Amino acid sequence: SQQGEEDPQALSIQEGENATMNCSYKTSINNLQWYRQNSGRGLVHLILIRSNEREKHSGRLRVTLDTSKKSSSLLITASRAADTASYFCATDWETSGSRLTFGEGTQLTVNP
Amino acid sequence: DADVTQTPRNRITKTGKRIMLECSQTKGHDRMYWYRQDPGLGLQLIYYSFDVKDINKGEISDGYSVSRQAQAKFSLSLESAIPNQTALYFCATSDRSGYTFGSGTRLTVV
Repeated sequence: SQQGEEDPQALSIQEGENATMNCSYKTSINNLQWYRQNSGRGLVHLILIRSNEREKHSGRLRVTLDTSKKSSSLLITASRAADTASYFCATDWETSGSRLTFGEGTQLTVNP
Repeated sequence: DADVTQTPRNRITKTGKRIMLECSQTKGHDRMYWYRQDPGLGLQLIYYSFDVKDINKGEISDGYSVSRQAQAKFSLSLESAIPNQTALYFCATSDRSGYTFGSGTRLTVV
């Protein structure tokens, strides 16, 4: 299975701290994407990083990709209570493109 | 209006009933998808369509069927619902930038 695996499964931090979530996958990819899901709601696209990129930023989000280790990390800096959500990595790996495989997610809780 | 609209938002149905979940999108994308999410888990791909004439099975297509009525519309049917199909169902569309998901349909089969 190409399914990504997130680590940790759950993370609890205080407001203002940084949160780091990791994702590992098994085969070569076209790109890797991170999504956020608030409880029971739809997923929101955060960042897409292509296989030839190593780092990408968007606001307080920083994503890294290490294709040699088949891993990615999502860093949220200066976390806020509103960042509380589940975060999923998803890999786009088929040669025909655009068929995502999701991991099981990291549940982030940011305490006020 | 939302980019991807799913109806209904919630549905309770009985075992053995046929049920259809509908999805429409205003993004103008060719690619559409149906995913299922079980509690505490990630999403599993049921079916996907890269254009109106293209339908493909995903990881867990057994017990489901789909219809791509137009570029903007992609419906999912459960031919004979069973309790283990109780889940949250998401429709999505995509382009090179990423996926846009609907808000989901919470389906309970009793």
